[in-house]
Amino acid sequence: ELKVEQNPLFLSMQEGKNYTIYCNYSTTSDRLYWYRQDPGKSLESLFVLLSNGAVKQEGRLMASLDTKARLSTLHITAAVHDLSATYFCASNFGNEKLTFGTGTRLTIIP
Amino acid sequence: NAGVTQTPKFQVLKTGQSMTLQCAQDMNHEYMSWYRQDPGMGLRLIHYSVGAGITDQGEVPNGYNVSRSTTEDFPLRLLSAAPSQTSVYFCASSYRGASNTEAFFGQGTRLTVV
Repeated sequence: ELKVEQNPLFLSMQEGKNYTIYCNYSTTSDRLYWYRQDPGKSLESLFVLLSNGAVKQEGRLMASLDTKARLSTLHITAAVHDLSATYFCASNFGNEKLTFGTGTRLTIIP
Repeated sequence: NAGVTQTPKFQVLKTGQSMTLQCAQDMNHEYMSWYRQDPGMGLRLIHYSVGAGITDQGEVPNGYNVSRSTTEDFPLRLLSAAPSQTSVYFCASSYRGASNTEAFFGQGTRLTVV
């Protein structure tokens, strides 16, 4: 079964702290995606990770991929309020169809 | 560049009514898809298309029809709406086969079936 699991589902963190969101997927995949969604809005692409050991960074967000462990992480450094959103990971499992995780709702507390 | 355009943004239907959700993209993407988003369940694939004239079912296709007569358009039809179809619907498009392809999403249609 093609499955993508994220944890935690909910995350409250203080401004200035670091935290990591985890994304496990069930079988071989050649692409792992991270998206951000603000309330009532569409999905915004953050990262596309293509190979084992891939690491991408944009501002306070850094994503990495370990294909052997079937694990991707999204690391948040020194969180700020603007990062409050729901974050989704998704895998293509070798084709164009995306299977999404259930999302992590991140709330940054001042 | 408009990207992926969905209409309408909001819709209320009565049980048993039919309607079509429109999706158009202007990026010449071969691949288009429809997802529904429900609380706590992420996005689930309804139907997808790899090119004009070719469609296939996703994870939750029951109650929905699609067709793809042009590269640009991929409408989603609800033949007889049910309350279980209350959801937010997203259309997405992408290139096929490119190594760094990403899916671009429309703004969503919030559908309520009463």
